Amino acid sequence: GENVEQHPSTLSVQEGDSAVIKCTYSDSASNYFPWYKQELGKRPQLIIDIRSNVGEKKDQRIAVTLNKTAKHFSLHITETQPEDSAVYFCAASQNSGNTPLVFGKGTRLSVIA
Amino acid sequence: ETGVTQTPRHLVMGMTNKKSLKCEQHLGHNAMYWYKQSAKKPLELMFVYNFKEQTENNSVPSRFSPECPNSSHLFLHLHTLQPEDSALYLCASSQDLYQSHNSPLHFGNGTRLTVT
Repeated sequence: GENVEQHPSTLSVQEGDSAVIKCTYSDSASNYFPWYKQELGKRPQLIIDIRSNVGEKKDQRIAVTLNKTAKHFSLHITETQPEDSAVYFCAASQNSGNTPLVFGKGTRLSVIA
Repeated sequence: ETGVTQTPRHLVMGMTNKKSLKCEQHLGHNAMYWYKQSAKKPLELMFVYNFKEQTENNSVPSRFSPECPNSSHLFLHLHTLQPEDSALYLCASSQDLYQSHNSPLHFGNGTRLTVT
């Protein structure tokens, strides 16, 4: 089955700096990679996702990159703001909808003002 | 506001108690899920229901018993739990079984369970 590793487990950055969170996956059949953000005491929310027919996707200050050959994908947050502080989870599954999402352990991002 | 509502938000129970967690989704989704979230561990999928039929049980101990009376409601019945069962229990739903770009996962706010 799929296994998703996520690094780092904690990350502190100064406000305005960039943050990068990396994930690797094991199943070469996986082709759907969403990212969820969970603020303290709140539910995880989908912030961006990428499918394997795309190498990079951007949404304002957030971007995801995917390297299928190396089986890793990353979340990039630019110009970080205090409200970006949260736990971020990566996940992987097959876009066909035949397999459940497998999540990474999460990265706690702290943006220091 | 979330389309997936969970009650209660917090629950403290003894190991001999019986309690139930409730989840309701107002999104018209066909699939519903129970996840367990423990500190420093990945989100663990417990149960999956599609059109109110259980499609997956991830080797969850029998002290956790799910119930899905219809596509909008999901329960998790708890009995004789252990302290290590203390965690945040998240309900989620999606349009179709499992997830894709067209059928992302929507979570509720969770129930924080403490077993004493």
